[in-house]
Amino acid sequence: GIQVEQSPPDLILQEGANSTLRCNFSDSVNNLQWFHQNPWGQLINLFYIPSGTKQNGRLSATTVATERYSLLYISSSQTTDSGVYFCLLYGNNRLAFGKGNQVVVIP
Amino acid sequence: KAGVTQTPRYLIKTRGQQVTLSCSPISGHRSVSWYQQTPGQGLQFLFEYFSETQRNKGNFPGRFSGRQFSNSRSEMNVSTLELGDSALYLCASSSATSVYNEQFFGPGTRLTVL
Repeated sequence: GIQVEQSPPDLILQEGANSTLRCNFSDSVNNLQWFHQNPWGQLINLFYIPSGTKQNGRLSATTVATERYSLLYISSSQTTDSGVYFCLLYGNNRLAFGKGNQVVVIP
Repeated sequence: KAGVTQTPRYLIKTRGQQVTLSCSPISGHRSVSWYQQTPGQGLQFLFEYFSETQRNKGNFPGRFSGRQFSNSRSEMNVSTLELGDSALYLCASSSATSVYNEQFFGPGTRLTVL
């Protein structure tokens, strides 16, 4: 199956700082999503981004499928950005989640 | 549009029992997928159903099974529960027809096995 690696696994940010989360994958993918998991376990859709770049407020994402990676940018971080960020991929008829990026934003 | 709903939200069972979890997808969505999340293994794909047929399956033992009804609602069943089955079980729905499409997750069912 597809191997997915997210980095960095843990990140501590000062409120207002910017950060980049990375999702590397081992094979070609048909689709890719980024999620934010809140403290109650709910996975919140951030981006559906099999390729290209998208922006939504302070968040943006870029997927370069040919080089097998996706990036999630958080700008001007806020304490509400704390949580775990996951990428979910579909390729070779298989779904795979990364292990997540644990982000803590301190005031 | 109402989101994905899962019932029950919390469940406590003992080893050896069986459990059934339910998932109602977003209206119009015909694909339902199930995932298990544990601290040790992270998020793992269990299976996916589309139009009452299992279309995709992860690497879980046969104790884990599921089904989908004609209204797209899905249930998953775990028989002979083990302590290691304690987890957050998430379902997601999608409008996918032929291949995986954008998935929308429910709030999850937190299962504790004692």
